[in-house]
Amino acid sequence: RKEVEQDPGPFNVPEGATVAFNCTYSNSASQSFFWYRQDCRKEPKLLMSVYSSGNEDGRFTAQLNRASQYISLLIRDSKLSDSATYLCVPGGFQKLVFGTGTRLLVSP
Amino acid sequence: DAGVIQSPRHEVTEMGQEVTLRCKPISGHNSLFWYRQTMMRGLELLIYFNNNVPIDDSGMPEDRFSAKMPNASFSTLKIQPSEPRDSAVYFCASRVGHQNTEAFFGQGTRLTVV
Repeated sequence: RKEVEQDPGPFNVPEGATVAFNCTYSNSASQSFFWYRQDCRKEPKLLMSVYSSGNEDGRFTAQLNRASQYISLLIRDSKLSDSATYLCVPGGFQKLVFGTGTRLLVSP
Repeated sequence: DAGVIQSPRHEVTEMGQEVTLRCKPISGHNSLFWYRQTMMRGLELLIYFNNNVPIDDSGMPEDRFSAKMPNASFSTLKIQPSEPRDSAVYFCASRVGHQNTEAFFGQGTRLTVV
């Protein structure tokens, strides 16, 4: 099993929609997780950190399910500017192994 | 504050040539990562350093790849000889500590080997 797995997408949604995607991880020992956003031809940038069961920041909510070993990212009221690739990474280890990312396309 | 600085931003080279990519981490960060990103394989971890010491280089694809970190403010990734399949975007990232902290990425080096 891969250390981190994500559905590559793309997820195509209209503006205003709610969309969620998951990230599954194999090592249950991680105490933290990070969601990064990567725009086309740019570097990944931190979107959200998760140190407990979840985190919320405006329209973005991350929820951790330790029993099933996945972390989800929920985006409410999607904007055109949310179109990007979203990468997750368990942050509790020295080695930072990212998922392949989920591509989101928000259309008018 | 300056972020992670990578150079060059773009590199085009001929097959067989040596390529050296450079990275300056954020001051005070003691973990440094080199990644390669392609459409097919995503963001692959090549090697990482803690306190300038290479910890895990299992992601380095071949002996043609080597990385060094002579001090806390500088790292290089070298490919010798380069091949067309090495064409990718190479990112350097750094973070404080060794666990549970976010990593900050440089803008990347887009390498094209012809």
